[in-house]
Amino acid sequence: SQQGEEDPQALSIQEGENATMNCSYKTSINNLQWYRQNSGRGLVHLILIRSNEREKHSGRLRVTLDTSKKSSSLLITASRAADTASYFCATVDYTGGFKTIFGAGTRLFVKA
Amino acid sequence: EAQVTQNPRYLITVTGKKLTVTCSQNMNHEYMSWYRQDPGLGLRQIYYSMNVEVTDKGDVPEGYKVSRKEKRNFPLILESPSPNQTSLYFCASKQNTEAFFGQGTRLTVV
Repeated sequence: SQQGEEDPQALSIQEGENATMNCSYKTSINNLQWYRQNSGRGLVHLILIRSNEREKHSGRLRVTLDTSKKSSSLLITASRAADTASYFCATVDYTGGFKTIFGAGTRLFVKA
Repeated sequence: EAQVTQNPRYLITVTGKKLTVTCSQNMNHEYMSWYRQDPGLGLRQIYYSMNVEVTDKGDVPEGYKVSRKEKRNFPLILESPSPNQTSLYFCASKQNTEAFFGQGTRLTVV
Protein backbone atom coordinates (compact mmCIF):
# COMPACT_ATOMS: atom_id res chain seq x y z
CA SER A 1 0.00 0.00 0.00
CA GLN A 2 1.11 3.56 -0.58
CA GLN A 3 2.21 5.46 2.43
CA GLY A 4 3.52 8.94 3.01
CA GLU A 5 6.77 9.26 4.83
CA GLU A 6 7.94 11.92 7.19
CA ASP A 7 11.41 12.73 8.34
CA PRO A 8 12.82 13.01 10.80
CA GLN A 9 10.96 10.41 12.80
CA ALA A 10 11.79 12.34 15.95
CA LEU A 11 13.10 15.81 16.62
CA SER A 12 14.22 17.39 19.88
CA ILE A 13 14.87 21.13 20.05
CA GLN A 14 15.08 23.96 22.53
CA GLU A 15 12.27 26.42 23.03
CA GLY A 16 12.65 29.34 20.65
CA GLU A 17 14.29 27.30 17.90
CA ASN A 18 12.65 26.48 14.61
CA ALA A 19 11.46 22.97 13.81
CA THR A 20 11.31 21.61 10.28
CA MET A 21 9.56 18.41 9.32
CA ASN A 22 9.42 16.87 5.87
CA CYS A 23 6.89 14.69 4.17
CA SER A 24 7.03 12.73 0.94
CA TYR A 25 4.08 11.20 -0.87
CA LYS A 26 3.57 8.93 -3.85
CA THR A 27 0.34 9.85 -5.60
CA SER A 28 -0.83 12.90 -7.51
CA ILE A 29 -2.61 15.23 -5.14
CA ASN A 30 -5.17 18.01 -5.08
CA ASN A 31 -3.94 19.19 -1.70
CA LEU A 32 -1.81 18.14 1.22
CA GLN A 33 -2.68 18.65 4.85
CA TRP A 34 -0.76 18.71 8.09
CA TYR A 35 -2.19 17.50 11.38
CA ARG A 36 -1.01 17.59 14.94
CA GLN A 37 -1.57 14.91 17.58
CA ASN A 38 -1.00 15.37 21.26
CA SER A 39 -0.04 12.12 22.94
CA GLY A 40 -2.68 9.47 22.27
CA ARG A 41 -5.38 11.96 21.38
CA GLY A 42 -7.27 12.70 18.17
CA LEU A 43 -5.57 14.55 15.37
CA VAL A 44 -6.20 18.25 14.87
CA HIS A 45 -6.02 19.90 11.47
CA LEU A 46 -3.29 22.55 11.18
CA ILE A 47 -3.03 23.72 7.61
CA LEU A 48 -3.84 22.76 4.03
CA ILE A 49 -1.84 23.58 0.94
CA ARG A 50 -3.30 23.10 -2.52
CA SER A 51 -1.39 21.52 -5.36
CA ASN A 52 -1.11 24.84 -7.20
CA GLU A 53 0.40 26.57 -4.16
CA ARG A 54 4.08 26.52 -3.29
CA GLU A 55 4.01 28.08 0.14
CA LYS A 56 1.46 28.91 2.78
CA HIS A 57 1.63 30.60 6.15
CA SER A 58 -0.55 30.42 9.22
CA GLY A 59 0.71 32.10 12.36
CA ARG A 60 4.01 30.42 13.26
CA LEU A 61 3.46 27.70 10.67
CA ARG A 62 4.93 27.73 7.21
CA VAL A 63 4.23 24.95 4.75
CA THR A 64 5.90 24.42 1.41
CA LEU A 65 4.95 22.05 -1.36
CA ASP A 66 7.06 20.77 -4.23
CA THR A 67 4.85 18.67 -6.49
CA SER A 68 7.75 17.83 -8.80
CA LYS A 69 9.51 16.11 -5.90
CA LYS A 70 6.27 15.01 -4.26
CA SER A 71 7.35 16.50 -0.98
CA SER A 72 6.21 19.03 1.58
CA SER A 73 7.75 20.62 4.62
CA LEU A 74 6.27 22.08 7.77
CA LEU A 75 8.23 24.75 9.59
CA ILE A 76 7.27 25.82 13.09
CA THR A 77 9.05 29.03 14.02
CA ALA A 78 9.95 30.13 17.53
CA SER A 79 8.83 26.83 18.98
CA ARG A 80 7.25 26.54 22.41
CA ALA A 81 7.05 23.67 24.86
CA ALA A 82 3.34 23.46 24.01
CA ASP A 83 4.28 22.53 20.42
CA THR A 84 5.47 19.16 21.71
CA ALA A 85 3.37 16.68 19.75
CA SER A 86 3.43 14.39 16.73
CA TYR A 87 2.90 15.92 13.31
CA PHE A 88 1.48 14.09 10.33
CA CYS A 89 0.99 14.93 6.68
CA ALA A 90 -2.01 13.55 4.83
CA THR A 91 -3.00 13.22 1.20
CA VAL A 92 -5.90 11.64 -0.65
CA ASP A 93 -5.29 8.88 -3.16
CA TYR A 94 -7.86 9.35 -5.91
CA THR A 95 -6.74 6.36 -7.95
CA GLY A 96 -9.68 3.97 -7.66
CA GLY A 97 -11.24 5.64 -4.66
CA PHE A 98 -10.79 8.29 -2.02
CA LYS A 99 -8.37 6.73 0.42
CA THR A 100 -6.67 9.06 2.86
CA ILE A 101 -2.98 8.36 3.33
CA PHE A 102 -1.15 9.55 6.43
CA GLY A 103 2.56 9.61 6.91
CA ALA A 104 4.18 7.84 9.85
CA GLY A 105 4.63 11.17 11.61
CA THR A 106 7.37 13.21 13.23
CA ARG A 107 7.53 13.32 17.01
CA LEU A 108 8.58 16.78 18.10
CA PHE A 109 9.86 17.45 21.59
CA VAL A 110 10.44 21.06 22.57
CA LYS A 111 12.49 21.51 25.70
CA ALA A 112 11.70 24.47 27.92
CA GLU B 1 -20.14 22.09 19.54
CA ALA B 2 -18.89 20.34 16.40
CA GLN B 3 -17.51 16.99 17.35
CA VAL B 4 -16.89 13.36 16.53
CA THR B 5 -17.74 11.03 19.39
CA GLN B 6 -16.36 7.53 19.75
CA ASN B 7 -17.33 4.95 22.32
CA PRO B 8 -15.92 3.30 24.24
CA ARG B 9 -12.65 5.11 24.90
CA TYR B 10 -11.02 1.99 26.32
CA LEU B 11 -11.90 -1.64 25.76
CA ILE B 12 -10.28 -4.90 26.77
CA THR B 13 -11.79 -7.99 25.23
CA VAL B 14 -11.01 -11.61 24.53
CA THR B 15 -10.17 -13.22 21.22
CA GLY B 16 -13.24 -14.07 19.19
CA LYS B 17 -15.78 -12.00 21.09
CA LYS B 18 -17.61 -9.72 18.69
CA LEU B 19 -17.45 -6.02 19.45
CA THR B 20 -18.62 -2.74 18.02
CA VAL B 21 -17.02 0.66 18.37
CA THR B 22 -19.47 3.45 17.73
CA CYS B 23 -18.76 6.73 15.99
CA SER B 24 -21.10 9.66 15.66
CA GLN B 25 -20.64 13.14 14.18
CA ASN B 26 -22.88 16.17 14.46
CA MET B 27 -21.57 18.19 11.52
CA ASN B 28 -23.64 16.59 8.75
CA HIS B 29 -20.45 15.46 7.04
CA GLU B 30 -20.72 13.06 4.15
CA TYR B 31 -17.27 11.46 4.46
CA MET B 32 -16.46 9.32 7.47
CA SER B 33 -13.57 6.95 8.05
CA TRP B 34 -11.86 4.66 10.51
CA TYR B 35 -8.14 4.45 11.18
CA ARG B 36 -5.91 2.39 13.35
CA GLN B 37 -2.71 3.76 14.78
CA ASP B 38 0.21 1.54 15.69
CA PRO B 39 3.68 2.60 16.87
CA GLY B 40 5.94 3.53 13.98
CA LEU B 41 3.21 3.02 11.38
CA GLY B 42 1.23 6.24 11.66
CA LEU B 43 -2.47 6.10 10.86
CA ARG B 44 -3.73 3.50 8.45
CA GLN B 45 -7.18 3.75 6.99
CA ILE B 46 -9.44 0.76 7.61
CA TYR B 47 -12.66 1.75 5.86
CA TYR B 48 -14.24 4.93 4.65
CA SER B 49 -17.68 6.02 3.59
CA MET B 50 -18.49 8.71 1.07
CA ASN B 51 -22.16 8.85 2.06
CA VAL B 52 -25.04 6.81 3.45
CA GLU B 53 -24.96 3.19 2.27
CA VAL B 54 -21.61 3.74 0.51
CA THR B 55 -18.53 2.17 2.08
CA ASP B 56 -15.10 1.32 0.69
CA LYS B 57 -12.02 -0.46 1.89
CA GLY B 58 -9.01 1.45 3.04
CA ASP B 59 -5.53 0.02 3.29
CA VAL B 60 -6.13 -2.44 6.15
CA PRO B 61 -9.76 -3.66 6.02
CA GLU B 62 -9.17 -7.32 6.88
CA GLY B 63 -10.96 -8.39 10.04
CA TYR B 64 -13.23 -5.33 10.15
CA LYS B 65 -16.71 -4.42 9.00
CA VAL B 66 -18.52 -1.11 8.87
CA SER B 67 -21.97 0.14 8.07
CA ARG B 68 -23.41 3.54 7.18
CA LYS B 69 -27.13 3.42 7.60
CA GLU B 70 -27.39 7.02 8.76
CA LYS B 71 -25.27 10.01 7.89
CA ARG B 72 -24.17 10.70 11.44
CA ASN B 73 -23.13 7.18 12.49
CA PHE B 74 -20.34 4.94 11.26
CA PRO B 75 -19.78 1.97 13.57
CA LEU B 76 -16.72 -0.27 13.33
CA ILE B 77 -17.41 -3.95 13.87
CA LEU B 78 -14.90 -6.64 14.75
CA GLU B 79 -16.71 -9.94 14.24
CA SER B 80 -13.94 -12.08 15.71
CA PRO B 81 -11.22 -9.91 17.24
CA SER B 82 -7.67 -11.20 17.35
CA PRO B 83 -4.64 -9.96 19.32
CA ASN B 84 -3.16 -8.30 16.19
CA GLN B 85 -6.13 -5.94 16.25
CA THR B 86 -4.90 -4.48 19.50
CA SER B 87 -4.47 -0.86 18.56
CA LEU B 88 -5.60 2.73 18.95
CA TYR B 89 -8.58 3.42 16.71
CA PHE B 90 -9.77 6.77 15.42
CA CYS B 91 -12.93 7.78 13.66
CA ALA B 92 -12.96 10.92 11.54
CA SER B 93 -15.40 12.88 9.43
CA LYS B 94 -15.03 15.62 6.86
CA GLN B 95 -17.04 17.50 4.31
CA ASN B 96 -14.40 18.68 1.89
CA THR B 97 -10.87 18.76 3.18
CA GLU B 98 -10.36 19.29 6.90
CA ALA B 99 -10.99 16.12 8.88
CA PHE B 100 -12.31 16.13 12.43
CA PHE B 101 -11.18 13.28 14.62
CA GLY B 102 -12.69 11.54 17.59
CA GLN B 103 -10.68 11.10 20.77
CA GLY B 104 -9.76 7.53 20.02
CA THR B 105 -10.58 4.05 21.28
CA ARG B 106 -7.79 2.03 22.79
CA LEU B 107 -8.59 -1.62 22.15
CA THR B 108 -6.76 -4.54 23.69
CA VAL B 109 -7.54 -8.06 22.54
CA VAL B 110 -6.20 -10.79 24.81
